[in-house]
Amino acid sequence: EVVMTQSPATLSVSPGERATLSCRASHSISSNLAWYQQKLGQAPRLLIYGASSRATDIPARFSGSGSGTEFTLTISSLQSEDFAVYYCQQYNNWPYTFGQGTKLEI
Amino acid sequence: QVQLQESGPRLVKPSETLSLTCSVSGGYASSYYWSWIRQPPGQGLEWIGEIYNSGSTNYNPSLKSRVTISVDRSKNQFSLSLSSVTAADTAVYFCARLWSGYFDSWGQGTMVTVSS
Repeated sequence: EVVMTQSPATLSVSPGERATLSCRASHSISSNLAWYQQKLGQAPRLLIYGASSRATDIPARFSGSGSGTEFTLTISSLQSEDFAVYYCQQYNNWPYTFGQGTKLEI
Repeated sequence: QVQLQESGPRLVKPSETLSLTCSVSGGYASSYYWSWIRQPPGQGLEWIGEIYNSGSTNYNPSLKSRVTISVDRSKNQFSLSLSSVTAADTAVYFCARLWSGYFDSWGQGTMVTVSS
């Protein structure tokens, strides 16, 4: 099983600032990585797939990068609605696995 | 746009079988791939399994002996069955559309509690 490790667990930032979230895979997963945003009491929402492709209707301030074992989600200028928990997920190998999440807070 | 809605009992007794259904609207259950994912309270996400439009399935090895996922084309639904449940199976259960390995549409989730 591919273990996904996200850091930091919690990231405190202010609106308008830039946020950088990291995700590391225990084995190479090529670019088979997705990022999700989850707000309290809601289902996750797909943000990024293929490590760097934005999903439908996702604002341009969200960007993803990386390949192999190291990945980054960057939010260029935080809006109030961006404060949530973010998960990465690998789909290179079964079983699909998620990171433990990064909570973005003010 | 595909919309998904989970339904089923919210309370299940230990050792019994958890059964959930996901109703698909805006698309055909027989045309896509589907998954179940769960999230214990305050914790992260765990992939349970997937079913393809051919009917073939893949399950998480950690749950494989207890899980069955199936599709009912006549009702445009797919289902999850998890047997011999314990308190560790208490979670929010999500159904989702699987697209090339990632999940692009999700149901709102349903909380299932295992307790006597």
